[in-house]
Amino acid sequence: DAGITQSPRHKVTETGTPVTLRCHQTENHRYMYWYRQDPGHGLRLIHYSYGVKDTDKGEVSDGYSVSRSKTEDFLLTLESATSSQTSVYFCATRRDGNTEAFFGQGTRLTVV
Amino acid sequence: GQNIDQPTEMTATEGAIVQINCTYQTSGFNGLFWYQQHAGEAPTFLSYNVLDGLEEKGRFSSFLSRSKGYSYLLLKELQMKDSASYLCAVREGGNTPLVFGKGTRLSVIA
Repeated sequence: DAGITQSPRHKVTETGTPVTLRCHQTENHRYMYWYRQDPGHGLRLIHYSYGVKDTDKGEVSDGYSVSRSKTEDFLLTLESATSSQTSVYFCATRRDGNTEAFFGQGTRLTVV
Repeated sequence: GQNIDQPTEMTATEGAIVQINCTYQTSGFNGLFWYQQHAGEAPTFLSYNVLDGLEEKGRFSSFLSRSKGYSYLLLKELQMKDSASYLCAVREGGNTPLVFGKGTRLSVIA
């Protein structure tokens, strides 16, 4: 499995504050993804990256931004957190080719 | 648009066989993936099909029919530890992200 570390693992924040989640991988995988998982919705793609400084929006990108300044790190930022962004956030990575994605352990974010 | 459907919940008995179905309607197709996710944990990869037919991996098998937009995951000799959610995901294009169904929660009972 890819070495994928998400930080923090748990966070409680107040509405309106900025929040940054970090995904760090040690496998030199080209592709990185941020998904959120909510009851009744399954995993939904927020943003993804296909290389350093190359990112694109997913299905539920409103209210989120991302940055990838080096291969190993993919940051997800909530500019002004809202209660609807309370969720479990998963980072995933994938090497080149039609291959499977590997998931980090997730970050449980609560916006109060 | 994309539509990936799976049953929400299933229950099966320890030692039995269970089949979890997945149907999909996507704009393209470049592979179907099955993941297992235990409660509170990350999804882990189980199997991958890109051509029609059956792929077997130990107690788990996965089948694909591209013409029918249909796949199933077959779990044999069920064990209590198989209680988990099973996620079906499709890749539409060469390097596009996986699109997931909502998952099937399987409960294995004694």
